Order: sequence, then structure tokens, then C-alpha cells
Amino acid sequence: DAKTTQPTSMDCAEGRAANLPCNHSTISGNEYVYWYRQIHSQGPQYIIHGLKNNETNEMASLIITEDRKSSTLILPHATLRDTAVYYCIALNRDDKIIFGKGTRLHILP
Amino acid sequence: DTAVSQTPKYLVTQMGNDKSIKCEQNLGHDTMYWYKQDSKKFLKIMFSYNNKELIINETVPNRFSPKSPDKAHLNLHINSLELGDSAVYFCASSQVKNTQYFGPGTRLTVL
Repeated sequence: DAKTTQPTSMDCAEGRAANLPCNHSTISGNEYVYWYRQIHSQGPQYIIHGLKNNETNEMASLIITEDRKSSTLILPHATLRDTAVYYCIALNRDDKIIFGKGTRLHILP
Repeated sequence: DTAVSQTPKYLVTQMGNDKSIKCEQNLGHDTMYWYKQDSKKFLKIMFSYNNKELIINETVPNRFSPKSPDKAHLNLHINSLELGDSAVYFCASSQVKNTQYFGPGTRLTVL
């Protein structure tokens, strides 16, 4: 699996867009970028994933650079309930998920 | 309408005891998983079952034995509990392999 690098922590004001970066410069052609989050005292929650194209769902948008070496998860209007640890994972669809340290996102009122 | 449920939510027990954690999913998924999250918050996969068949077995002591009576259930039995087994254990399920749905977790404390 490609190694990913994320900032340890980030702050975002409530109501603003939260942009969480992820570097995956060694990603291979068949590896997807997955995002999960873990709210305190809860199980991880799947957010979104993509291969090459940008993706959007009801939770977030995923922007993947053309060279696929980095991506950004966008929460368009962050709320206090979005405070969580966000995990960026690059892996082949047949591989098991390996969670790293993630980014601790604090939404500030 | 809980998708993935685990019981119990909390489990406190003495060293040397044997305990089980139950997991059920009502999503109709074929694959279920057990993960362990230690005190440093690292989340690691332990086991994976697909249609009641073991497909992933990480380097886990053989005191841990998963059992899948049917594809909606994956239970975790732990023999001779040790202090180092204290952690939060998460069950998950998926239909599409890496789009996983996690349960609320079971916090195990071994005294």
C-alpha cells in the first residue's frame, strides 16, 4: 500500500469549508484513495473514495490532483459534529485497510 | 435500525478469564471484520471473514478465536485474558471490500 502523509491536526471555523490535505506520492495506478473518520468514542465511518476523478457525495468532496500524488477532502460547511480524526488511506481494492495516525480536525465555534 | 451492533459495550474482567464479544450486522454484507484499537489509538485489523470463511488472520495470539455462525454474525472469543488485551474492539462489515461499516466498539478492560 502507498504511504500517506497527513498533518497531525487542523482547526476550522464552524460553517467554513474544511480542507484536509493528504500526500500519497508513491501511489500506484490501481490504488484508490479512501477517507474515513473517527468521532470520539465511536467506530470509524467511511466518507468517500476515488481513483482519478474528483468525487462528491452527501458528506464530502474528494479532489485528487492530476498526477494523483496528493488529494484533498473537503467538508463544505463544517459543523461541530465534524470534529474527528480523519484518515486518508491509499490502497488496492483487494488489500486490507491500514489506518495511520490521521488528522485531528477541530471545528471551532 | 442499527447497522452493525456489538455487545457488550463495556467489558471489565480479571486476568485469566475467558470472554466473548458478539457482533451482528443487518446490512446483508458478505464480509465481516474485527479490529483492535489500543491505548495509543492505533486501529489494526485482526480478522476478516467472508461468507463464514476466514480470509484474513493477522498476527494475533491464538487465544483469540473468531467464530462466524452465519454471515450476519462474527463473534470474538478470547481465552486467558491478559492485561495487554485491554483495548477497544471494533467489528465491521462490508459488501464492497474497503467500504466498511463499523460498530460502536467494545471497551475491554482487563484487571
